[in-house]
Amino acid sequence: EVQLVESGGGLVQPGGSLRLSCAASGFTFSSYVMSWVRQVPGKGLEWVSAISGSGARTDYADSVKGRFTISRDTSKKTLYLQMNSLRGEDTALYYCAKDRRRWGNSPEGADSWGQGTLVTVS
Amino acid sequence: DIQMTQSPSSLSASVGDRVTITCRASQSIGRYLNWYLQKPGKAPKLLIYDASNLQSGVPSRFSGSGSGTDFTLTISSLQAEDFATYYCQQSYGTLGTFGQGTKVETK
Repeated sequence: EVQLVESGGGLVQPGGSLRLSCAASGFTFSSYVMSWVRQVPGKGLEWVSAISGSGARTDYADSVKGRFTISRDTSKKTLYLQMNSLRGEDTALYYCAKDRRRWGNSPEGADSWGQGTLVTVS
Repeated sequence: DIQMTQSPSSLSASVGDRVTITCRASQSIGRYLNWYLQKPGKAPKLLIYDASNLQSGVPSRFSGSGSGTDFTLTISSLQAEDFATYYCQQSYGTLGTFGQGTKVETK
């Protein structure tokens, strides 16, 4: 069974930093594109960043480009999101998501999601 | 950037109703269109991928159609567990953008 467990969220002041983690199990971690998707409570979904299975390709939404860095550690089966220069508009629930297609290079649809970790910038 | 527009933003329906939600892309995205369902306090769940392919385990009352810029999600006979918010998402561009969501509420 696929499991994704996020951690690292919390309250941070504007301009501060946080690192989110997502521990993965139940699938071949290195074979799948992984993503971070965020949701302001009560609002819609925004795809924040994605990384290929090898880690060679990364993509970012314009809203976070230059401030956030996605990475993955295959040996630990863990996905990360380093968030710097945080702003109030980054306040959201951050989901880790696994892509549905093996060996893809970019997100094609997320078939498994974590429960989310809340980031509050205030 | 590719913009996704869903309609309606909300709708009221009863159990057994046929429900249709539409999604329009700002440019042609082929069939790179996914549909998700999200219930309050839960993560999204993938229903349909590549416009019309049913994700494993999803009931057959859900179906998707369309290509290019116009897409449709249909629930043939709404069940109690289907009251939720539905999102379309394009996977043509580098990062998938979502529609704003359609909330299906009980009439």
